[in-house]
Amino acid sequence: TQLLEQSPQFLSIQEGENLTVYCNSSSVFSSLQWYRQEPGEGPVLLVTVVTGGEVKKLKRLTFQFGDARKDSSLHITAAQPGDTGLYLCAGGRYGQNFVFGPGTRLSVLP
Amino acid sequence: DTEVTQTPKHLVMGMTNKKSLKCEQHMGHRAMYWYKQKAKKPPELMFVYSYEKLSINESVPSRFSPECPNSSLLNLHLHALQPEDSALYLCASSQGTGTGDPYEQYFGPGTRLTVT
Repeated sequence: TQLLEQSPQFLSIQEGENLTVYCNSSSVFSSLQWYRQEPGEGPVLLVTVVTGGEVKKLKRLTFQFGDARKDSSLHITAAQPGDTGLYLCAGGRYGQNFVFGPGTRLSVLP
Repeated sequence: DTEVTQTPKHLVMGMTNKKSLKCEQHMGHRAMYWYKQKAKKPPELMFVYSYEKLSINESVPSRFSPECPNSSLLNLHLHALQPEDSALYLCASSQGTGTGDPYEQYFGPGTRLTVT
């Protein structure tokens, strides 16, 4: 059983559509990160959330950390082909190793 | 500067070769990591160095040998690898000790390793 679950696993949408991907756990995290990874490249850090209920915006991307710090969401408005990639959530907890979710593979078609 | 650099970008090696992967960061981070990533899977932790000392080895076969010459550099020495070791090898660094703290990790671009 994965400590961090992500849904959906795959998502294919048309340019201009909105989407939300989710990262869920039964454990409390001190912080959660979202990364985007393109094929053959390393993950690029998009955001870190640390406070329950926190909302952060990065241009067309909106990230939310759940009140109980067990889940997070990433919402993309007006998706563009350049948003295509693997979106990974990852979390840190005191006394435990950093863990990754399995990822959501997003394809935005022109 | 949040850059982690890795060399080489691509590496092809035979099963009897010895090669090394290199990683460098200048963010003053004291924790450095090696990950292995297979296609369509998330990164899988191999080793953690904290203050230049090996703190975590995730039961990695001895044909992979990490080394941390100083606080900015991390190497991964490879010897007698198997074809199933072909993967993207990622280096990362973070603040904190790397052994159970919540700080985000910054990744390098990876080395694509193919074992023939």
